[in-house]
Amino acid sequence: GAGVSQSPRYKVAKRGQDVALRCDPISGHVSLFWYQQALGQGPEFLTYFQNEAQLDKSGLPSDRFFAERPEGSVSTLKIQRTQQEDSAVYLCASSLEAASGRVGTDTQYFGPGTRLTVL
Amino acid sequence: GQQVMQIPQYQHVQEGEDFTTYCNSSTTLSNIQWYKQRPGGHPVFLIQLVKSGEVKKQKRLTFQFGEAKKNSSLHITATQTTDVGTYFCAPTPRADRGSTLGRLYFGRGTQLTVWP
Repeated sequence: GAGVSQSPRYKVAKRGQDVALRCDPISGHVSLFWYQQALGQGPEFLTYFQNEAQLDKSGLPSDRFFAERPEGSVSTLKIQRTQQEDSAVYLCASSLEAASGRVGTDTQYFGPGTRLTVL
Repeated sequence: GQQVMQIPQYQHVQEGEDFTTYCNSSTTLSNIQWYKQRPGGHPVFLIQLVKSGEVKKQKRLTFQFGEAKKNSSLHITATQTTDVGTYFCAPTPRADRGSTLGRLYFGRGTQLTVWP
């Protein structure tokens, strides 16, 4: 069962390499979020999907970052031409339904994260 | 954008002492969620507060939502070493504030250290 899973857990990339980070949300969860967490900071929003639709990508730091969720379940965050400042933990979270205001349905459950280190 | 201030940033207590962290928002909130993150771990959901003036308890943890829905607090009674970690409040602004519905705004959290 069935929590949010992410892979890989750790990724080391050379500067300039492309990376792909995967998120498997909780089954049945409509909403999926990606966050970036730098050391000593709180998670920062990157992007949000409702089913397969990417409703907000305003937090993506540059056009090198791209996310998709083609079938409304698994999501992939891709970073092209990685830079050292991309080093962080990338967290995925899912919820039954975002912004419902109803306790429980918009609770976000986080995966273990992928720690990306760019050398 | 949404401003979240959480204080204190660090708190060191001896086991058995109480601990409180405060979360303040610049705007009225729809609801607020609290998370705990252990060192090296990921945020784990603790509770969600929705109603003005709401108080919820989970064993030694007491959560409050302000009457104006702009602030919240988490109080831990008689801390234990298992309480170590960073506590984040994560508000959701009201829907009329032009922000992504459901998006959480995390502050830097309060890092709690408990000495045995």
